[in-house]
Amino acid sequence: NAGVTQTPKFQVLKTGQSMTLQCAQDMNHEYMSWYRQDPGMGLRLIHYSVGAGITDQGEVPNGYNVSRSTTEDFPLRLLSAAPSQTSVYFCASAPTVGTSGNTIYFGEGSWLTVV
Amino acid sequence: GDSVTQMEGPVTLSEEAFLTINCTYTATGYPSLFWYVQYPGEGLQLLLKATKADDKGSNKGFEATYRKETTSFHLEKGSVQVSDSAVYFCALSRTTSGTYKYIFGTGTRLKVLA
Repeated sequence: NAGVTQTPKFQVLKTGQSMTLQCAQDMNHEYMSWYRQDPGMGLRLIHYSVGAGITDQGEVPNGYNVSRSTTEDFPLRLLSAAPSQTSVYFCASAPTVGTSGNTIYFGEGSWLTVV
Repeated sequence: GDSVTQMEGPVTLSEEAFLTINCTYTATGYPSLFWYVQYPGEGLQLLLKATKADDKGSNKGFEATYRKETTSFHLEKGSVQVSDSAVYFCALSRTTSGTYKYIFGTGTRLKVLA
């Protein structure tokens, strides 16, 4: 029962470094997304994708890049890490674009600290 | 725009107490409504959902009813246990322009004392 798999689970970066958070799902979901979770602010959408080759910006996209070359994978790239990007990142996926009642499934999270 | 508002936490209860966590939403059209639960160090898991007005979602003793007239989806449980200690998120999803987005509230932390 893999579901949504994120790696790494923990990462410490220095300011200015770049890195990629990996996300893979084995449920053949069309919809994939990245959220960040900060204390008192809930979940904020960074980027999302409704299918391979299609991506769009969410609420807080600055400083992040995504691509969707396959249905299964949706990596999140931090271009030049800043302390403000210290957060917990969640990847999530859902089936069948176009039906609002579909459940969205989350990965276990990636804890990122930028020093 | 669409939004979800839920009560501030933390909520601290004794075991076997009655739980209510309030959630209201703003959205055009007919969104689906969800409650997710997050245990420490884990991702969010679906607790229950309702896809149309007057629907009641239920799971593990938790219930919530989709009230369109009051734009609410309050979470209730008759008798909480220590194992229910977690953060609870209310969320909505809505279809727009052929796709859909999920909007989450800020979460309410529940602590249940033995």
